[in-house]
Amino acid sequence: AQTVTQSQPEMSVQEAETVTLSCTYDTSESDYYLFWYKQPPSRQMILVIRQEAYKQQNATENRFSVNFQKAAKSFSLKISDSQLGDAAMYFCAYRTNRDDKIIFGKGTRLHILP
Amino acid sequence: EADIYQTPRYLVIGTGKKITLECSQTMGHDKMYWYQQDPGMELHLIHYSYGVNSTEKGDLSSESTVSRIRTEHFPLTLESARPSHTSQYLCASSNPSGNTIYFGEGSWLTVV
Repeated sequence: AQTVTQSQPEMSVQEAETVTLSCTYDTSESDYYLFWYKQPPSRQMILVIRQEAYKQQNATENRFSVNFQKAAKSFSLKISDSQLGDAAMYFCAYRTNRDDKIIFGKGTRLHILP
Repeated sequence: EADIYQTPRYLVIGTGKKITLECSQTMGHDKMYWYQQDPGMELHLIHYSYGVNSTEKGDLSSESTVSRIRTEHFPLTLESARPSHTSQYLCASSNPSGNTIYFGEGSWLTVV
């Protein structure tokens, strides 16, 4: 069964600094998507960044980038120049094209210190 | 902006009542999902659908049921609510390629 593991329940970073959130996953599939979602307090879940497994190049979206290590089944999120608005729960998610189920990790709560 | 809507956003009901949480999307997506999430905790997949007349149970056992009579609608029903059903319920849909998942704003259910 596919699993997604986020080993950091909470993290804190100083404003303007860089922080990396960890995610590992377990699968026997070769064709899948990986996602990072952000959930601000009492607000809608929004997509931060996604990575297609067959693409070796790491995805980037402005201040957000990933380090995708397919062999190691690792998918970490790096947030550069952290801003107060980045404070939220961050969920790593996995989706296989085989059955379309989307599996989420337990989340990492990110605090931004002014 | 995602065109996926959930109603009600907040609901407090008594034990034993029947409730239906509505979810609708205007993007024509075939794939839709229901997740249950306790505050600050992980998301658990409880139901999903590949299209009209298709429904599957997710990884977390749930006493709720779903239906998919129309592409746009994926309602979730609890026949007899209990305090253990108190949680947030998130509806989502996926575009055909599966590379984007859109979430509704969630329905916060409290059973007293």
